[in-house]
Amino acid sequence: AQTVTQSQPEMSVQEAETVTLSCTYDTSESDYYLFWYKQPPSRQMILVIRQEAYKQQNATENRFSVNFQKAAKSFSLKISDSQLGDAAMYFCAFDGNSGYALNFGKGTSLLVTP
Amino acid sequence: GAGVSQSPSNKVTEKGKDVELRCDPISGHTALYWYRQSLGQGLEFLIYFQGNSAPDKSGLPSDRFSAERTGGSVSTLTIQRTQQEDSAVYLCASSLTDYGYTFGSGTRLTVV
Repeated sequence: AQTVTQSQPEMSVQEAETVTLSCTYDTSESDYYLFWYKQPPSRQMILVIRQEAYKQQNATENRFSVNFQKAAKSFSLKISDSQLGDAAMYFCAFDGNSGYALNFGKGTSLLVTP
Repeated sequence: GAGVSQSPSNKVTEKGKDVELRCDPISGHTALYWYRQSLGQGLEFLIYFQGNSAPDKSGLPSDRFSAERTGGSVSTLTIQRTQQEDSAVYLCASSLTDYGYTFGSGTRLTVV
């Protein structure tokens, strides 16, 4: 079974600064997908960014980018120019090709201070 | 609808009662998932429906939990004889491809 580990229960960043959230995973598969989801207090899970394992290029969505290190099984999320609205729980998730459901980490709570 | 709809948004029930939680996925999405999120925890997989295939029930924590999906669309998660440890947010998601899931806003279940 795949496991997803987020080692930072809480992180804090000042507005306009950059923060990196860590995620590692364990799998024997070579082709899979990785995701970062944001969950604000509204409970709605929002897809932030998606990475396909066979693509070497790191995914980028506006202020959000990832550092995908396949050999190290690491998938960190970088948030640039942090905004107050970025404050939320962030979950890293793994989706293999074996037909199983998304496997989530325990999340990182991000606090953004003015 | 445009998104995944879950009802009720909040549910308070007495210990020992049965509850039904509903999920209306995005039209055309073949896959539907139920997750449970306990306070301050990550998402725990419960059950997965894919098209007409037999559901993957490997995440259901006990035989008090069951789910069905009618006509490949709406799904109902049923918890029988609820216990206090069942208190959590129950999230439903649907997907069409490996692009990622679309989640509903969840049902917060409180067992008193």
